[in-house]
Order: sequence, then structure tokens, then C-alpha cells
Amino acid sequence: EVQLLESGGGLVQPGGSLRLSCAASGFTFSTYAMSWVRQAPGKGLEWVSGTSGSGDSTYHADPVKGRFTISRDNSKNTVNLQMNGLRAEDTAVYYCAKLSSGINSPFDHWGQGTLVTVSS
Amino acid sequence: IVMTQSPDSLAVSLGERATINCKSSQSVLHSSNNKNYLAWYQQKPGQPPKLLIYWAFTRESGVPDRFSGSGSGTDFTLTISSLQAEDVAVYYCQQYYSSRTFGQGTKLEIK
Repeated sequence: EVQLLESGGGLVQPGGSLRLSCAASGFTFSTYAMSWVRQAPGKGLEWVSGTSGSGDSTYHADPVKGRFTISRDNSKNTVNLQMNGLRAEDTAVYYCAKLSSGINSPFDHWGQGTLVTVSS
Repeated sequence: IVMTQSPDSLAVSLGERATINCKSSQSVLHSSNNKNYLAWYQQKPGQPPKLLIYWAFTRESGVPDRFSGSGSGTDFTLTISSLQAEDVAVYYCQQYYSSRTFGQGTKLEIK
């Protein structure tokens, strides 16, 4: 059974940093692209960042380019999101999501999410 | 690519048909494989989204056959043929043709 478990969320001041992690199990991790998707309170879904199975290719949405960095450790079956320069508008539940195959495929499994709150 | 869903909310009687539309600002049909890079997700309160449909009309394993997807190019539809109480949720379309973007969501309720 595929399982994705996010951690690292919390309260951070504007301009601060946070590192999210997602521990994956139940599938051959290095074979699949992974992404982070966020959802602001009461709002819709927004794709944030993605990485290929090898980690050689990474992608970021325009609102987070230059501030967020996605990485993965295939030896530990984890994908991380380093978030710097956090802003109030980054407040959201952050979901780790597995893609069904390559980078151009849908999200077939999601974690339960971790809440990031940016506030002074 | 901007994804626009209609309506924003919908109330349907139990056992009746529910139809949600999704329009993309440019085609998500890839000429190399003739596939539409379009998915539908269901999100219930307090839960993560769940994949229902991908490649515009392929049902994910375990999804009831009352859910169906149709359309091509820029116009797509999610149909629930006979609404059940457990279908109350917010539904999102998503393109994965170029980067990935979601529609704003359609809230489905029981009338």
C-alpha cells in the first residue's frame, strides 16, 4: 500500500524558513516523479514544485521560484521542500503527491498534508 | 494554462445526474499520442484529493462506474450518473500538459 507521510509544518514568521519532508513507502520510490501541492485555507489546489524520479529534473511554480527548492533522497525514500523567504500568502496545507508515472502524469496518491502558517 | 470550471457550486437530488464542466485556455491534447492531459479529483472535507479520472476519461482503479469523463482539446466534462450521498465533495479538474494547473473547484451538494 502506498503511503506518504508529510512532516515539518508549523508556525513561522514572515521571511523565515521551513523544511518539509515526505516519507514514502509501498512503491519503488526512485521510479516515480513526486510533487508538492498546496491548499490555502478554504481555497483551491495549487501545484508548487515537482521532481523527476532520479531527482535530476526539478520544477517550481512561478510564485515560489527562487524561494522554494525541492529535492529527494532515493536512498531514504524521502522528498523535501526547502522553503525560504516565506510570505503570508504561503500559508497553506502542503500535500506530498506521487505521480502515476513520469513528470507529465496525474497525481495518483496524496499524503494527509502538513499545515504551514506564516504569521508574525 | 488556465483551467476554468463551471458551475462553482451545484446541488443535485440523490439518484440524479450531476455534470461539471472544465475548460482550458489552450488545448491539452498532445498530438504525439492523441491523449488529453486532463485529470479529475474529488476532495471531501478534511481529506486530501483523490484521483478519479485521468487522460480525460480513464477511470482510476476502484472508482465507481457512475463517474465518467469526456471531452477533448479544451472542453471537458465530469459526469456522475446517479448521485449518491457519499459523492458530496469538491471536484477539481487539472491539466498536466504544460506544468500543471487546477480548476478553481466545483462544490457538489445534495438538493
